[in-house]
Amino acid sequence: QVELRESGPGLVKPSETLSLTCSVVGGSIRNYYWHWIRQPAGKGLEWIGHFYFSGSTNYNPSLKNRVSMSADTSTSQLSLKLTSLTAADTAVYFCARGGYGSASYYYAPDYWGQGTLVTVSS
Amino acid sequence: DIQMTQSPSSLSASVGDRVTITCRASENINSYLNWFQQKPGKAPKLLIYAASTLPSGVPSRFSGSGSGTHFTLTITSLQPEDFATYYCHQSYDTWTFGQGTRVEMK
Repeated sequence: QVELRESGPGLVKPSETLSLTCSVVGGSIRNYYWHWIRQPAGKGLEWIGHFYFSGSTNYNPSLKNRVSMSADTSTSQLSLKLTSLTAADTAVYFCARGGYGSASYYYAPDYWGQGTLVTVSS
Repeated sequence: DIQMTQSPSSLSASVGDRVTITCRASENINSYLNWFQQKPGKAPKLLIYAASTLPSGVPSRFSGSGSGTHFTLTITSLQPEDFATYYCHQSYDTWTFGQGTRVEMK
């Protein structure tokens, strides 16, 4: 059974860079799409982007200039970086596993982490 | 971006009721439509993918239909564990979600 575990600083100051890690336990990150999705308190879901194990990425245009994703296949960890933070970036951040294989971009995420709350405040 | 609009935004229902939630896409997304269920403090759970397919383990009282721009999620006999928020999601283009439909106990 695959388990995803997000981790991060919890509190970040405005204008700083957020770094989150998603550890994949019980499975490999190879050949899968990995998505980051966030949810402000009491609001809906926003797709941040995806990382495919080959290194290809696709980001939400609304965040494209501030976001980057990567992975370390040796440790089965995914990474999200978001720069120039503002209060609007305060949210629960989820990592989720998407489809298997390069053609499966559109597959819905079936495994999700529990989410990690990030608060942007001075 | 493709806009996803759900209706209603919330509804009150009783155990045993039939519940229908509608999702409309701002443009044709074929059948690249998924439904998620989310309970407070939890991650979303995949309920239906490709408009009408249930993942293993999802009860058969859930069903999905539609294609193009109009989709529905139906719960044929609402159970206590079904009170939650439901989101539609399109994966045709840059992923977007509906605003959610909260199903509350009447």
